[in-house]
Amino acid sequence: KAGVTQTPRYLIKTRGQQVTLSCSPISGHRSVSWYQQTPGQGLQFLFEYFSETQRNKGNFPGRFSGRQFSNSRSEMNVSTLELGDSALYLCASRLNVGEETQYFGPGTRLLVL
Amino acid sequence: AQTVTQSQPEMSVQEAETVTLSCTYDTSESDYYLFWYKQPPSRQMILVIRQEAYKQQNATENRFSVNFQKAAKSFSLKISDSQLGDAAMYFCASQNNFGNEKLTFGTGTRLTIIP
Repeated sequence: KAGVTQTPRYLIKTRGQQVTLSCSPISGHRSVSWYQQTPGQGLQFLFEYFSETQRNKGNFPGRFSGRQFSNSRSEMNVSTLELGDSALYLCASRLNVGEETQYFGPGTRLLVL
Repeated sequence: AQTVTQSQPEMSVQEAETVTLSCTYDTSESDYYLFWYKQPPSRQMILVIRQEAYKQQNATENRFSVNFQKAAKSFSLKISDSQLGDAAMYFCASQNNFGNEKLTFGTGTRLTIIP
């Protein structure tokens, strides 16, 4: 079974632009979560989607948003990019809510100039 | 709110030796899970081992085992017969069983394997 895939793997943007990252979960997995990893703040939870609905949200500004499609694929969008948004964005999927283990994708490395 | 603390930013071990990585956590929940994830230079987060809080028996996965002390809120990872491929950042994480089941991570321990 293929693992979690994320596209693109690397991205360079400039301040003020917006960006969309994509995540395809493991086949059959219905829950997708997003995490941001930075040297200063470590790994932080952004949000979780299940059945096309945002189930939980972390403490991030409204510039960070996401959605999930009927095939469980998820996208996250960051508008009006700031230098501090430079990070590794990790997507994780799990079979269902109540299933404890999340499996991570390889991440998208975003650099904001 | 959950917090996870890893007090060892860096550790090193000789190849074939045993090393223990420390982790403490704090949660008000009674039902939760604990994990160790490994992040090699590729940055892919890989699950190493997991522990259900309601289970007293320590989890074991091949060369990896944990020492789970629930009362002390301690969750250490022991790596036996260390191999070069074990070199990575290791993150301890906790997750509630119900409600907001996000992973809360520690700051990580960088493990170096000395040949």
